[in-house]
Amino acid sequence: AQKVTQAQTEISVVEKEDVTLDCVYETRDTTYYLFWYKQPPSGELVFLIRRNSFDEQNEISGRYSWNFQKSTSSFNFTITASQVVDSAVYFCALRMIYNQGGKLIFGQGTELSVKP
Amino acid sequence: SQTIHQWPATLVQPVGSPLSLECTVEGTSNPNLYWYRQAAGRGLQLLFYSVGIGQISSEVPQNLSASRPQDRQFILSSKKLLLSDSGFYLCAWSIGLAGGLAKNIQYFGAGTRLSVL
Repeated sequence: AQKVTQAQTEISVVEKEDVTLDCVYETRDTTYYLFWYKQPPSGELVFLIRRNSFDEQNEISGRYSWNFQKSTSSFNFTITASQVVDSAVYFCALRMIYNQGGKLIFGQGTELSVKP
Repeated sequence: SQTIHQWPATLVQPVGSPLSLECTVEGTSNPNLYWYRQAAGRGLQLLFYSVGIGQISSEVPQNLSASRPQDRQFILSSKKLLLSDSGFYLCAWSIGLAGGLAKNIQYFGAGTRLSVL
C-alpha cells in the first residue's frame, strides 16, 4: 500500500531561522512522483515542486530546497531564513505514474508557524 | 493561462438538505478533474475523479456523488446532507492523460467550506 507520513504535526520557529519539514513515503512501485504543496490560511493548495523517482538531484528555488533520498524514502523540504509569510500548512504527496486518474496520496500535513 | 473556479466559498446547510458544489476550469481541454475533502485534522482525501465527460470514479463510498456534464465542469452533489459531510472541499484539475503521463501536477481551486448543522 502507498502511504505518506509527515511526522511533524506543528512546527514553530522565529523569523530568519531555517526549518526542515520531513516527509517519508511508502510504495512498492519503482516509478512515482512526489509533490509538496503549501496551504496558506486562505485554504487554496499551492503547488511548490514535483519530483520523479528517477531524479534524485536536490533542488533549490530561492529560500526553498528539497532533499530527495530514495534509499530512505524521504523527500524533505527546507526553508532557509524563514519569513512570516511562510506560515502555512505544508503537504507532501505521492502519485504512482500508472495510477488511473492520477490520484494523489497526501500526508497529514505540517503546520508551520513563523513568528516575528 | 488556466484557471479553476469553485463556488460557493462558504456554505451552511441544515442536515437533510441537498448539496451542489460547482467547479469549472478555463484555458484547457479534456482535463482530469478531482474532488477532495479536507476534514478537521487536515488530511486530504480524494472523493471522486473524472478523466472525461460522464466518466466518474469514486474513491470512497459515501453520501456524495459527482457528475461531469461538460468537459470543464465538475459538480459535487448530495441528496441529503449528513453532519459528517462538513468539511473543506477542494476541486483540482490536471492535464489529461492525452497530454502525457508526466503532465500530472494537480492545481487546486480556492475551496468551499461546508458546515452542516
